[in-house]
Amino acid sequence: EVQLLESGGGLVQPGGSLRLSCAASGFTFRSYAMNWVRQAPGKGPEWVSTITGSGSNTYYADSVKGRFTISRDNSKNTLYLQMNSLRVEDTARYYCAKAGDSSGWLDWGQGTMVTVSS
Amino acid sequence: DIQLTQSPSFLSASVGDRVTVTCRASQGVSRYLAWYQQKPGKAPKLLIYAAYDLQSGVPSRFSGSGSGTEFTLTISTLQPEDFATYYCQQLSSYPLTFGGGTKVEIK
Repeated sequence: EVQLLESGGGLVQPGGSLRLSCAASGFTFRSYAMNWVRQAPGKGPEWVSTITGSGSNTYYADSVKGRFTISRDNSKNTLYLQMNSLRVEDTARYYCAKAGDSSGWLDWGQGTMVTVSS
Repeated sequence: DIQLTQSPSFLSASVGDRVTVTCRASQGVSRYLAWYQQKPGKAPKLLIYAAYDLQSGVPSRFSGSGSGTEFTLTISTLQPEDFATYYCQQLSSYPLTFGGGTKVEIK
């Protein structure tokens, strides 16, 4: 059974930093691209970033490019999202999601809440 | 960037109704389109992948159709547990995008 467990969320001031983690189990982690998706309160999902299985390629939404960094440690089956220069508009629940073999993401974590506020 | 426009954004329906949600892409995405259902406080749940393939375990009353720029999600006979918000997502090219959502509420 695939399990994805995010952690690292919390309350941070504007301009601050946080690192989110997503611990994965139940599948061959290094074989799958992984994604971060966020959802602001009352809004729809927004794709944030994707990293390929090897970690050699990364992709970012324009809204986070230059501030957020996605990475992974395949020896620890863990995905990360380093978030710097946080803004109030980054406030959201952040989900990690496993890229599927087909066009759609079956497996999602429960999310971790990030609140950026002074 | 590929924009996805869902319609309607809100839908009021009764149990037993047939419901159709449309997702239009600003440029062709081939079959790289998925549909999700989301309930409050939960992560999105994959219903349809590759435009019209039903995810295993999803009731057959859900179906998808379309390719290119126009897609539909149909619920043939609405059940009480189907009242939720539905999103389309394109996985054709980066940046990946989601539609704005369709909230299905009880009439």
